Amino acid sequence: AQKVTQAQTEISVVEKEDVTLDCVYETRDTTYYLFWYKQPPSGELVFLIRRNSFDEQNEISGRYSWNFQKSTSSFNFTITASQVVDSAVYFCALSEASDTGNQFYFGTGTSLTVIP
Amino acid sequence: DGGITQSPKYLFRKEGQNVTLSCEQNLNHDAMYWYRQDPGQGLRLIYYSQIVNDFQKGDIAEGYSVSREKKESFPLTVTSAQKNPTAFYLCASSVQGLSYNEQFFGPGTRLTVL
Repeated sequence: AQKVTQAQTEISVVEKEDVTLDCVYETRDTTYYLFWYKQPPSGELVFLIRRNSFDEQNEISGRYSWNFQKSTSSFNFTITASQVVDSAVYFCALSEASDTGNQFYFGTGTSLTVIP
Repeated sequence: DGGITQSPKYLFRKEGQNVTLSCEQNLNHDAMYWYRQDPGQGLRLIYYSQIVNDFQKGDIAEGYSVSREKKESFPLTVTSAQKNPTAFYLCASSVQGLSYNEQFFGPGTRLTVL
């Protein structure tokens, strides 16, 4: 079973629109960590944020914000006033504290295209 | 500049040949990882190493081999036993192999089997 589900395969928005990328995870651990990464066309994954399972505070960083809800096992990512430079593939990932190998479980990614 | 380097960026291989992908980091990280990325499938873990001279299989280790003789280096060999090796390969590292450590990624190597 997929531990991390990103149901949106591709999204297109017009520049300056807001867009939310969905991430739903599955784990039996009480301690776990969630991550978001951005993969621009160059291919290298860029770390955006980490959230631990005990911290449900939403976070805002500039135009980016994250909404973590344990009740729905979701960790959604919103880009406000999107820009062309936001075009990339975005991955959500889960890491479980019980896993001694620090294995990341990645979703299949959401490809975002921002149209100028 | 600290970071992870992977070489080459593009690699072509004839069917039946082994090929080695390079991964070097100067971040002084203990843990290193190899992932394979296929279209629509996200990233899948091939091998990881939490310390020098030790490594563990990931979800899709068959047809691959690794070594970790030095802290900064974690080369991946794609053997002829790998049935479908054409993919994008990403190397990553983290401070320690702990669940809360974010992983930092290299630029990737795109392998094509001809």
